[in-house]
Amino acid sequence: DTEVTQTPKHLVMGMTNKKSLKCEQHMGHRAMYWYKQKAKKPPELMFVYSYEKLSINESVPSRFSPECPNSSLLNLHLHALQPEDSALYLCASSQEPPTGSNEKLFFGSGTQLSVL
Amino acid sequence: QKEVEQDPGPLSVPEGAIVSLNCTYSNSAFQYFMWYRQYSRKGPELLMYTYSSGNKEDGRFTAQVDKSSKYISLFIRDSQPSDSATYLCAMRVLGGGGNKLTFGTGTQLKVEL
Repeated sequence: DTEVTQTPKHLVMGMTNKKSLKCEQHMGHRAMYWYKQKAKKPPELMFVYSYEKLSINESVPSRFSPECPNSSLLNLHLHALQPEDSALYLCASSQEPPTGSNEKLFFGSGTQLSVL
Repeated sequence: QKEVEQDPGPLSVPEGAIVSLNCTYSNSAFQYFMWYRQYSRKGPELLMYTYSSGNKEDGRFTAQVDKSSKYISLFIRDSQPSDSATYLCAMRVLGGGGNKLTFGTGTQLKVEL
């Protein structure tokens, strides 16, 4: 099983809503990531969790709040988003933590988020 | 100047053609080089992964890294319509770096019947 599963696939939310994105992997990977991708742009790293601890926050606004309940799950809590936050949100995982050498990233299919 | 440069295309080729996709980079510390394929509204899929210079072949795909020229390539032989996608190169430094991949902007490829 080399799958990273993300739910929901699509999400429309208002600027006052609170929602959560979910990600799950069962490959025993020890690092999990959130990326944001705008149309026709490459993915941009947001957060990295290593061994369930937040190891990297790429200066992401506090309206995005990550959570790693266990080694297989990763959530991204959203609150008071802006229309410019509309994007494809990608979860990824890797076998080794970011400082390791075997850090091939496996991506999920993403959540297409629209903020109205 | 961007750290990684990649022609956005679109690149249109007939079915069966050999496709050459390329990236140049400026950071000589990059040691790991990857190619991802991304279909529309899907997540990137890892195609090729190479360390340092050299060639790597996997089926119809060949990845080449020329560190002296800071240039990497992906060749696709006998291209198929199903190869139509955006191809992203990505690279990172050896150790550390927080696994922060530096991506190219992606090249959109269309293989036509």
